[in-house]
Amino acid sequence: DQQVKQNSPSLSVQEGRISILNCDYTNSMFDYFLWYKKYPAEGPTFLISISSIKDKNEDGRFTVFLNKSAKHLSLHIVPSQPGDSAVYFCAASARSNYQLIWGAGTKLIIKP
Amino acid sequence: KAGVTQTPRYLIKTRGQQVTLSCSPISGHRSVSWYQQTPGQGLQFLFEYFSETQRNKGNFPGRFSGRQFSNSRSEMNVSTLELGDSALYLCASSATGTEYNEQFFGPGTRLTVL
Repeated sequence: DQQVKQNSPSLSVQEGRISILNCDYTNSMFDYFLWYKKYPAEGPTFLISISSIKDKNEDGRFTVFLNKSAKHLSLHIVPSQPGDSAVYFCAASARSNYQLIWGAGTKLIIKP
Repeated sequence: KAGVTQTPRYLIKTRGQQVTLSCSPISGHRSVSWYQQTPGQGLQFLFEYFSETQRNKGNFPGRFSGRQFSNSRSEMNVSTLELGDSALYLCASSATGTEYNEQFFGPGTRLTVL
């Protein structure tokens, strides 16, 4: 039972355009959501997070949107740059146990 | 500060053998979590150790075990290896284990079971 789903295994976007990565979850107890970025041969690195009390969080070129009623979150990257090419993981947590549940990841390819 | 280190980086074993992986967290971090990453499955949580105690455990069989030492270094052990255990094993450290935006990952150990 996948509680966190990233339905797009890969996404290709032109440099300079907007990249939108999506994530769906099923557990209504999740109240904290994170995005991590992973380059080949490296561990994931934290990118941005959002608490369930918010519907948007912005950090530079990265914005995460949370739609609690739809149990959906998305990561927007504007403008997309070649260095953004990586695998992006969505993860969710319920503060009751702090265990992170991860999606399968979306490979983002930024085309020059 | 030095980052999270994992040894070895690559390992090849045969079915039935056992393996021990090591993780050294960032200095001062007391929480170490272990994950298994397989293609298309994301990261599956194995267990978390804090101050030498297992605080959280995922849904893996008892063949997967771990421990943490007084210096916060952690090891995980997999006994009676199966082909399906082939994966990237990642460890992550944080100060207390409750601040996920401050969780730092090592580069992983790539385990191949033949």
